[in-house]
Amino acid sequence: NAGVTQTPKFQVLKTGQSMTLQCAQDMNHEYMSWYRQDPGMGLRLIHYSVGAGITDQGEVPNGYNVSRSTTEDFPLRLLSAAPSQTSVYFCASSFDRATGELFFGEGSRLTVL
Amino acid sequence: KNEVEQSPQNLTAQEGEFITINCSYSVGISALHWLQQHPGGGIVSLFMLSSGKKKHGRLIATINIQEKHSSLHITASHPRDSAVYICAVRSRGAQKLVFGQGTRLTINP
Repeated sequence: NAGVTQTPKFQVLKTGQSMTLQCAQDMNHEYMSWYRQDPGMGLRLIHYSVGAGITDQGEVPNGYNVSRSTTEDFPLRLLSAAPSQTSVYFCASSFDRATGELFFGEGSRLTVL
Repeated sequence: KNEVEQSPQNLTAQEGEFITINCSYSVGISALHWLQQHPGGGIVSLFMLSSGKKKHGRLIATINIQEKHSSLHITASHPRDSAVYICAVRSRGAQKLVFGQGTRLTINP
């Protein structure tokens, strides 16, 4: 049982490049979400999914795209990276959206030059 | 005003001291989470509460639904407890979590 696996751990991009952060869980969790963590801002929700084929926007969705084709995977795509997207990104999952315990990936530190 | 407020923002204590971190929220909730993040590290779930009190080792979490307040206590604190502690709430009927800003705890030997 690997829990939540998030890759890559570190990435440096140039402005305008695109990339995908991968997130996979093997706990059959319905709910998956992506957050960004910036100094002094706490964790902010980017996008979330309550099941395969269902996604919705969070607090700061602009510049990001997600899909949920399977229960296990929830990739986050940066369409055209900007310096404002320099941050630490966390993927999280829980069994259900209401009361499930949260499981986080190890985080991905992204720098956009 | 943020929906979730934590206090204090920073806390420094000596090894062995009893620690209390507070979380106040302004909405009706279905669950409250306490999370721990070590420097440069990932985020670990400590507790999920919807009522009452939970204990795990030296950590105790309590919640008062009527007062919209939760506390995280650490007994016999140790330098390895040094971390950021984050409170997060899930509003009733909502599909997303709202996070507090975190409390940075430093325990000196």
